[in-house]
Amino acid sequence: DSGVTQTPKHLITATGQRVTLRCSPRSGDLSVYWYQQSLDQGLQFLIQYYNGEERAKGNILERFSAQQFPDLHSELNLSSLELGDSALYFCASSATGSGYTFGSGTRLTVV
Amino acid sequence: DQQVKQNSPSLSVQEGRISILNCDYTNSMFDYFLWYKKYPAEGPTFLISISSIKDKNEDGRFTVFLNKSAKHLSLHIVPSQPGDSAVYFCAASGGDAGGTSYGKLTFGQGTILTVHP
Repeated sequence: DSGVTQTPKHLITATGQRVTLRCSPRSGDLSVYWYQQSLDQGLQFLIQYYNGEERAKGNILERFSAQQFPDLHSELNLSSLELGDSALYFCASSATGSGYTFGSGTRLTVV
Repeated sequence: DQQVKQNSPSLSVQEGRISILNCDYTNSMFDYFLWYKKYPAEGPTFLISISSIKDKNEDGRFTVFLNKSAKHLSLHIVPSQPGDSAVYFCAASGGDAGGTSYGKLTFGQGTILTVHP
């Protein structure tokens, strides 16, 4: 157990739907990062939050949004889903000056 | 624009021999490099890192080499063990507004390492 908890582990949904992925960071970590891993691709950075505020943004689609709550957990919202959104979505957390710890990911399948 | 590239999708080696995984990058602003290992159904786990001020970092069986002039890094695993079989990702940070060594990471596509008994 890495200490970073992602739920759900698997999600199957239809095109056009909206889903929410949840991440609880490791205790004490203020930063949360979201990454997307599509088939045969490396992990693509989506967005970073630090202590509730957006810190950095990557190639995140406008249909996607995220937030970090006061208890530091984070949610990634994916809407108007398309087949191409099927991927593994990883959350990672870190404390200032330390490295990342990844969760085990959420596998999203859009049918 | 693939700023971090792992050109070998897979590598197969015999137990006890050396495994060498390679990674190339294009962004000269990257100042911190990391290797992650990933098993199926798990998230990536940190393996070893190197700052751009160094050219080598060693941790047990794992050594990372950095050649800044060639924008190339490699991970050496000696001796290789069957338990090392996994996907290995190279990642880099720096070169953007984030600025910290543990901000946004740019990952390569990964190399599947298989170590045969």
